[in-house]
Amino acid sequence: SQQGEEDPQALSIQEGENATMNCSYKTSINNLQWYRQNSGRGLVHLILIRSNEREKHSGRLRVTLDTSKKSSSLLITASRAADTASYFCATDARTGANNLFFGTGTRLTVIP
Amino acid sequence: DTEVTQTPKHLVMGMTNKKSLKCEQHMGHRAMYWYKQKAKKPPELMFVYSYEKLSINESVPSRFSPECPNSSLLNLHLHALQPEDSALYLCASSLTPQGGERAYEQYFGPGTRLTVT
Repeated sequence: SQQGEEDPQALSIQEGENATMNCSYKTSINNLQWYRQNSGRGLVHLILIRSNEREKHSGRLRVTLDTSKKSSSLLITASRAADTASYFCATDARTGANNLFFGTGTRLTVIP
Repeated sequence: DTEVTQTPKHLVMGMTNKKSLKCEQHMGHRAMYWYKQKAKKPPELMFVYSYEKLSINESVPSRFSPECPNSSLLNLHLHALQPEDSALYLCASSLTPQGGERAYEQYFGPGTRLTVT
């Protein structure tokens, strides 16, 4: 299975604190993406990092990628209650197709 | 318009019923996907359509039958489902990579919550 793994499975923090989620994957990739999912709803794309990039920023989001360790991290700074959601990393199959394999996800709870 | 719509939002069906899930996008995307997501699990890819042709079938049972009638629509026909098929079914679309080009972000619909009784 190409499914990645994320840790922690669940994370609870106070509003204003930073949240870090980690993702490990198994195969070579073209890029890695992070998605957010509010409970029982569709996924929203957050950020895409290419295999030749090491770090990328978007607003309060910072993503790192270490292809030698097959791992990535997502940092959300100055968290807000509205950031409460599940966060998934997703890797492609490096076959030229766009099918994604999602990690197990981290459930983030931000306490107001 | 960056919206992917899915109907119905909720569906309850018996094991002998035939029903269909529908998905629509008007972003000009030529790649469309069906995912299945069980509670507290990540989405699992079921089917990929590229230029209205089925390009990937992730060993999905034949009681699930996808259809892409045109570049904006994607259907999932359901027949003789089992209770374990109860899940959130997500549709997504994206631009289509050419050859070894990088993958693109996917746009997801809100999903159809399916319950099989």
